Amino acid sequence: AQSVTQPDARVTVSEGASLQLRCKYSYSGTPYLFWYVQYPRQGLQLLLKYYSGDPVVQGVNGFEAEFIKSNSSFHLRKASVHWSDSAVYFCAVRGGSAKLIFGEGTKLTVSS
Amino acid sequence: DPKIIQKPKYLVAVTGSEKILICEQYLGHNAMYWYRQSAKKPLEFMFSYSYQKLMDNQTASSRFQPQSSKKNHLDLQITALKPDDSATYFCASSLASNERLFFGHGTKLSVL
Repeated sequence: AQSVTQPDARVTVSEGASLQLRCKYSYSGTPYLFWYVQYPRQGLQLLLKYYSGDPVVQGVNGFEAEFIKSNSSFHLRKASVHWSDSAVYFCAVRGGSAKLIFGEGTKLTVSS
Repeated sequence: DPKIIQKPKYLVAVTGSEKILICEQYLGHNAMYWYRQSAKKPLEFMFSYSYQKLMDNQTASSRFQPQSSKKNHLDLQITALKPDDSATYFCASSLASNERLFFGHGTKLSVL
């Protein structure tokens, strides 16, 4: 069965610091992997996606993620966070169907 | 200017009543979806439609019935409402069933 684990429910970092949000997935085939961000009272917005090829994918607003198949991970990174990055971040996996399986989300707080 | 319109934004209902959540997308997409976000739970896939036909249903209860009167509409009818149905319901769409999803802002349903 497909599943996604985001082990950190809450992360706090200082503005300007680097960031890593962890994501591990369970899927027997080749997964399609996604990171979405949810700002307060809004829907989810796609940050980046991985289908194949270069395991490091670039997204919007300076975010990137690395697909490590041996570790079943797809961690999200950013070199320097801004206060406006405060939001809830969701990792998701999609297998053969269009259904996305989401992790529980990580609430990021950027402190000034 | 939102391209996926969900109405209403907030909805309060009494136990046992029936409500319809509205979703319209103006992205020209052919696939539409419903997801549910409950407190302390990951986003859960509910339904997917492609060209107005049901493709996948992960909702155990028949109290939840999607309705697609037009290609760009996918409403969600919920009957015999229960307090456990309280959640934010997100509509999403994609150009095709294997493409990235775009989400609406959600309808927050509270059942008293």
